Amino acid sequence: AQSVAQPEDQVNVAEGNPLTVKCTYSVSGNPYLFWYVQYPNRGLQFLLKYITGDNLVKGSYGFEAEFNKSQTSFHLKKPSALVSDSALYFCAGYGGSQGNLIFGKGTKLSVKP
Amino acid sequence: KAGVTQTPRYLIKTRGQQVTLSCSPISGHRSVSWYQQTPGQGLQFLFEYFSETQRNKGNFPGRFSGRQFSNSRSEMNVSTLELGDSALYLCASSPTGDVYEQYFGPGTRLTVT
Repeated sequence: AQSVAQPEDQVNVAEGNPLTVKCTYSVSGNPYLFWYVQYPNRGLQFLLKYITGDNLVKGSYGFEAEFNKSQTSFHLKKPSALVSDSALYFCAGYGGSQGNLIFGKGTKLSVKP
Repeated sequence: KAGVTQTPRYLIKTRGQQVTLSCSPISGHRSVSWYQQTPGQGLQFLFEYFSETQRNKGNFPGRFSGRQFSNSRSEMNVSTLELGDSALYLCASSPTGDVYEQYFGPGTRLTVT
């Protein structure tokens, strides 16, 4: 079965420090991978995607993600965290014949001043 | 361009009742997908409609149904509501149904008492 896992329920970082939100995947075929962010009482906002090409993907708001095929990972990163980055982050995947996005459980990011 | 809109934003229903949620996609988008978001299960795919036809369906009971109109607006219906149906229901629209172009609405928060 295809799946996306986010091993951390919560990540805490200090403002100005680098942040990493982890994601691993198990999808058939060539994976399409995504990161979304959700603020309270809001829908999901697209951050970035990996379809093919460079393993390092740059997205919105200074976020980037690294696709690692051997480790089946797609970790989200940002060099310097902001308090306003505090939100719920979802990793999602799509592979092969599956006609919909498969989401991880989400990781709550808390950035303290 | 206006984004995806969902109505109502909040809803309180009683067990056993039925409910209808509405989603208006971005103008020109022909695909609408529905997701259920709960703290325990995360984001789960319900179904996807494209040009008034259901193309894909998740693993939900038959109490959950949907439809799409000729103007691409979509409704989902839940009959015989259960407490466990309390969730945030998100819809996403796409020009063609390609998952890497999904745009999410703000969601409808359904509370079943």
